[in-house]
Amino acid sequence: AQTVTQSQPEMSVQEAETVTLSCTYDTSESDYYLFWYKQPPSRQMILVIRQEAYKQQNATENRFSVNFQKAAKSFSLKISDSQLGDAAMYFCASLGEYSGTYKYIFGTGTRLKVLA
Amino acid sequence: GAGVSQSPSNKVTEKGKDVELRCDPISGHTALYWYRQSLGQGLEFLIYFQGNSAPDKSGLPSDRFSAERTGGSVSTLTIQRTQQEDSAVYLCASSSTRLAGGLYGYTFGSGTRLTVV
Repeated sequence: AQTVTQSQPEMSVQEAETVTLSCTYDTSESDYYLFWYKQPPSRQMILVIRQEAYKQQNATENRFSVNFQKAAKSFSLKISDSQLGDAAMYFCASLGEYSGTYKYIFGTGTRLKVLA
Repeated sequence: GAGVSQSPSNKVTEKGKDVELRCDPISGHTALYWYRQSLGQGLEFLIYFQGNSAPDKSGLPSDRFSAERTGGSVSTLTIQRTQQEDSAVYLCASSSTRLAGGLYGYTFGSGTRLTVV
């Protein structure tokens, strides 16, 4: 079965410091995309960063970057210079053809707290 | 509209009642998903609409759940004879095409929080 695992239910980081959120996934598909979404208290899922599985280069979006290790099926998110507004639930997700359905498989999330 | 709109934002219902949850996707988006987010859990796939194709209902947890999408736009998720375990946040997401979903991600609504008492 395809799964996405986030082993850190909660993480804390001091403002302006760097934090890394872990994600591992398990898929037999060769064509898939990986995402990190942020969910603030408003509940709306906001795209943070994405990565095509066929690209070796790690994606970067301003203060957010990923460490994509395809062989290890690992997709961690690094947040640099953490800001108070980064506090939220972060979900790792894989988008692809799973069990005949093109859909997201989400992890259970990591709650990030940013300390002033 | 500018974003994905869901209504109501919150719904409290009595066990055994039927509820309807509405999703207005971004205009022109052909792909639409419903997901369920239970407390402390990730998002669970429910149903997928893609253009005029038959919807993929493989994620619906029981026959009490159904969804339709009228005119390729607005979607309604209906839960009949609600149970307490149906309490969750129901999220809708859309994308212009299936390919665009992979390239740009999906746009999510703010969800409906359903509480069954």
